[in-house]
Amino acid sequence: QVQLMQSGAEVKKPGSPLKVSCKASGGTFGTFRNYAISWVRQAPGQGLEWMGGIIPMFGTTNYAQKFQGRVTINADESTSTVYIELSSLRSEDTAVYYCARAGGYHYLNSLDYWGQGTLVTVSS
Amino acid sequence: ENVLTQSPGTLSLSPGERATLSCRASQSVSSSSLAWYQQKPGQAPRLLIYGASNRATGIPDRFSGRGSGTDFTLTVSRLEPEDFAVYYCQQYGSSPLTFGGGTIIEIK
Repeated sequence: QVQLMQSGAEVKKPGSPLKVSCKASGGTFGTFRNYAISWVRQAPGQGLEWMGGIIPMFGTTNYAQKFQGRVTINADESTSTVYIELSSLRSEDTAVYYCARAGGYHYLNSLDYWGQGTLVTVSS
Repeated sequence: ENVLTQSPGTLSLSPGERATLSCRASQSVSSSSLAWYQQKPGQAPRLLIYGASNRATGIPDRFSGRGSGTDFTLTVSRLEPEDFAVYYCQQYGSSPLTFGGGTIIEIK
């Protein structure tokens, strides 16, 4: 059974950077590089917002325009871990951040496995 | 970007009743690349339907999806107590991936 385990909750100051990890386990050998990973966030009481995705097989990334220049997603195949970094945090970035595995190698897919979520609170 | 509008915002129904949720896209969704998710409080979303009408692994057959182009529907034939939750549609035919604003199914 595929599992995505995310790093723990964070409290950050405005202007500081954020880094959240998502470690994949389970599935068949070599599964990690065969499936894209997306990051989706959810502000308190709000809906879901796609931030970007990575195709581990090729190392290519795609980001939502809203986050361009402020977000970086990368993957470490050796540890089956994907990271998202978000710079210059502001209060509006307070949200639960989810990683989710795509149904195929490309991020243009439905999201069939989700991490447990990481609560990020941005407050002075 | 392809904006998804879900309606109604809230459905108040009783267990055993039928729920019909709508998702309308601002642009045609290519290859019926539309998914539906269920989310309960404090939990991550769960994939229900992909490709507009295909149930994900382990999803009961009381959940069904249909539609193409810009209009999609999720139907829950007979609501079970565990079905009261928030439902989101998502298109993945074009970047950026986008989600609808959600429909809450609440107990009447």
